[in-house]
Formats: sequence, structure tokens, C-alpha cells
Amino acid sequence: NAGVTQTPKFQVLKTGQSMTLQCAQDMNHNSMYWYRQDPGMGLRLIYYSASEGTTDKGEVPNGYNVSRLNKREFSLRLESAAPSQTSVYFCASSSLMNTEAFFGQGTRLTVV
Amino acid sequence: AQSVTQPDIHITVSEGASLELRCNYSYGATPYLFWYVQSPGQGLQLLLKYFSGDTLVQGIKGFEAEFKRSQSSFNLRKPSVHWSDAAEYFCAVGDTGGFKTIFGAGTRLFVKA
Repeated sequence: NAGVTQTPKFQVLKTGQSMTLQCAQDMNHNSMYWYRQDPGMGLRLIYYSASEGTTDKGEVPNGYNVSRLNKREFSLRLESAAPSQTSVYFCASSSLMNTEAFFGQGTRLTVV
Repeated sequence: AQSVTQPDIHITVSEGASLELRCNYSYGATPYLFWYVQSPGQGLQLLLKYFSGDTLVQGIKGFEAEFKRSQSSFNLRKPSVHWSDAAEYFCAVGDTGGFKTIFGAGTRLFVKA
């Protein structure tokens, strides 16, 4: 049972480049989330999808877009990467909004 | 506004000693409360959660936490720490009313021999 799978695990981008972070869960969860983790700031919610077909902004959505491709998959896109987006990104899922979340292993992104 | 405060950025305890990690929250109603643990290079794993009922909740790895409404606190405890408990611990608060789960800044636990 894989749980929540994120790809890639590491990525280096140049300023202005774009990329998509992929996330898939195999637990039949309704809700999915993207967080970023920065030192001393805990996890901050970027976007979430309460259920298939819906997405909403979290605390720090600027510079990001998301797609809930189907119930399993929730991708995060950086259209024009900036150094301020250097962070560790986590995807998570839960059976319902704001109940126990299961996290992926994270993507360490560096923007130079 | 809802918030979660973990006053201690890092804590060092000796192996075998007891542990208490503090968490205070600000929320208008009874929240859902969580403690997660993150080992280096890993994602977060749920230790325990409080939704309702008994205010003392038991979790995995020998951890427990107590919800104290009067103090708006949900402190994590363990009677005897093991070296493998060294990690970062996050308190989080959420509810099913659509409010998005908020995480504290985390407390890094160091365990000395």
C-alpha cells in the first residue's frame, strides 16, 4: 500500500522556469492538500481540494496553480518559479476535510 | 483568527527522561487537535488526535496528549523518551466546518544519551 506518492523528490529550477509537482493517493480519500514547509514556519497550506472537482486557495496560493485530475491525483504547478518558492512541498490526503491527513515524502525544490 | 503556538523551537532531553511538548491554540469552538511527528527527510506521521470525548488521548509510540479547554492547550507527553524519538513534532488544529487545518511551527526534539 503506497499511501501518498509525490514526484519528483528533488528538483532544481532556474528563475522563471515552470514545473508541475505530481501527487497521487491510493486510499480513496476525498480531500487532498498541498503544503509548503519552511524553517521556523511549520506547514502552510497552498491549495486544497475538498473533493473531486473542487479546488480552493489556502494560506499562500500566490504563484501556484493546482489541478484535481481525478479522485487519486492532485498536481501543483509553478508557472514562473521564483527564489521565494524554494521550499519543501508536501502533498497530503484525508478521507474528509480536516480529519487525519496522510502525507507524502515531500519534494525539495530549489529555485536559483 | 485561528492559530497554533508551539512555544519551544527545540527541546533537549536525556534518554529515559520524561517529555512534554507544549501546544496552545486559538479557536472559537472545540477544535479537532492533532500531533504529528516528522523524522528527517520524511513526511509527517500522525501520532494522535482529539475530536471529542475523553480529554486524555493515547497515540502511537507511547505518546499521549491532554486537551485542556480552560487553557486552550493540547500538550504532548511521553513518560520515557527513546533515542529514536528525536524528530520534529507539529501540533495542528482543524474542524469539519470547512476551516483549514493550521499547523504550529514545530518543536524539534533532541535526545542525548
